[in-house]
Amino acid sequence: QKEVEQDPGPLSVPEGAIVSLNCTYSNSAFQYFMWYRQYSRKGPELLMYTYSSGNKEDGRFTAQVDKSSKYISLFIRDSQPSDSATYLCAMSERAGANNLFFGTGTRLTVIP
Amino acid sequence: DADVTQTPRNRITKTGKRIMLECSQTKGHDRMYWYRQDPGLGLRLIYYSFDVKDINKGEISDGYSVSRQAQAKFSLSLESAIPNQTALYFCATSLTSGRGEQYFGPGTRLTVT
Repeated sequence: QKEVEQDPGPLSVPEGAIVSLNCTYSNSAFQYFMWYRQYSRKGPELLMYTYSSGNKEDGRFTAQVDKSSKYISLFIRDSQPSDSATYLCAMSERAGANNLFFGTGTRLTVIP
Repeated sequence: DADVTQTPRNRITKTGKRIMLECSQTKGHDRMYWYRQDPGLGLRLIYYSFDVKDINKGEISDGYSVSRQAQAKFSLSLESAIPNQTALYFCATSLTSGRGEQYFGPGTRLTVT
């Protein structure tokens, strides 16, 4: 079993829809959670960073962590065609950890 | 200007050839990483370095070697390339005193024929 599981999609939604992207994990020691966005032929860029459980909002994006269920989510409100990308979750046990554990990514297409 | 740069951006090489991928950063970060990305497998860590004298193997280091020439430069070598090393390669950086998030370069698309 992989430490981080993420549905690869692809996911297609109409412009303006609310998008929900999710990851599950098996290591209860993970405390730091990130979402990266990767456009085609580009490197991943950090989108959201959260620590422990709870919600964090940044504009149209909300990151949610449920440590009791080992489940994290990224919500995108009022989705735009420019949100079309692959979204990767990543997590670690501590801030100075050796490396991050990544999901395989979910490919999202927002249709105008 | 890009904070993390990678050269070349695209490379086609033949089986058995030696190839070097280079990474430079202007972020002032002390930690640097090399990943490869394959469809369905996501990002897998090849090597990482916490400073010039600290090099560590990652999940899939076989067939690869690295050199940290300076704090800002980290290169990845394939001594004898094979077709299953065809992939997208990313360099990343982070700060030891930071939160742990990593910052990625634009990637190198490597094809081994």
